[in-house]
Amino acid sequence: DAGVIQSPRHEVTEMGQEVTLRCKPISGHNSLFWYRQTMMRGLELLIYFNNNVPIDDSGMPEDRFSAKMPNASFSTLKIQPSEPRDSAVYFCASCRDIGAEAFFGQGTRLTVV
Amino acid sequence: ILNVEQSPQSLHVQEGDSTNFTCSFPSSNFYALHWYRWETAKSPEALFVMTLNGDEKKKGRISATLNTKEGYSYLYIKGSQPEDSATYLCAFHGSGNTGKLIFGQGTTLQVKP
Repeated sequence: DAGVIQSPRHEVTEMGQEVTLRCKPISGHNSLFWYRQTMMRGLELLIYFNNNVPIDDSGMPEDRFSAKMPNASFSTLKIQPSEPRDSAVYFCASCRDIGAEAFFGQGTRLTVV
Repeated sequence: ILNVEQSPQSLHVQEGDSTNFTCSFPSSNFYALHWYRWETAKSPEALFVMTLNGDEKKKGRISATLNTKEGYSYLYIKGSQPEDSATYLCAFHGSGNTGKLIFGQGTTLQVKP
């Protein structure tokens, strides 16, 4: 398996634009997590899915953020409209079952100017 | 609010020194405790997943212990090498329907040759 695949690797966008980050989890993994890495908070959990269903989105900063998992092999994290304070590295991770080790994608570095 | 705390925040040691870090986590609703190694410009990779009170895991010069009753885990590195330089993260996995994987802020280790 190629591992968790995230795209794009880098995204630079202007304030106010819509940004969509994509994630393909490892096949057979039924939990998927979206994290945001910042200097202040480290790896901050935004939302996680189990069997494609959002279980906990309490970490999503505000209504500008939304995430979907239409099927077991694809998830998106959307920011609309984007703001400079959204600039961070966003990681997607998947694991086989609850409690199992998580495998991380390479991350998407988002810069909002 | 789930709180996962790691200490120290950073550590500088000489090659050959042995060192250890601490992770504290909620002692209720415990399911699993993970340790990850995160090298600069890479993604976190799992070192250990521990589920039972008293668990001890070992991988080469790195080992970890777990105390679920008091809510702490130690990571030990024996005879540190420059290639051990990285950020070490612990993550708490809750039980029940949550399945959240919450990370601590990490301990950044720098090993000087």
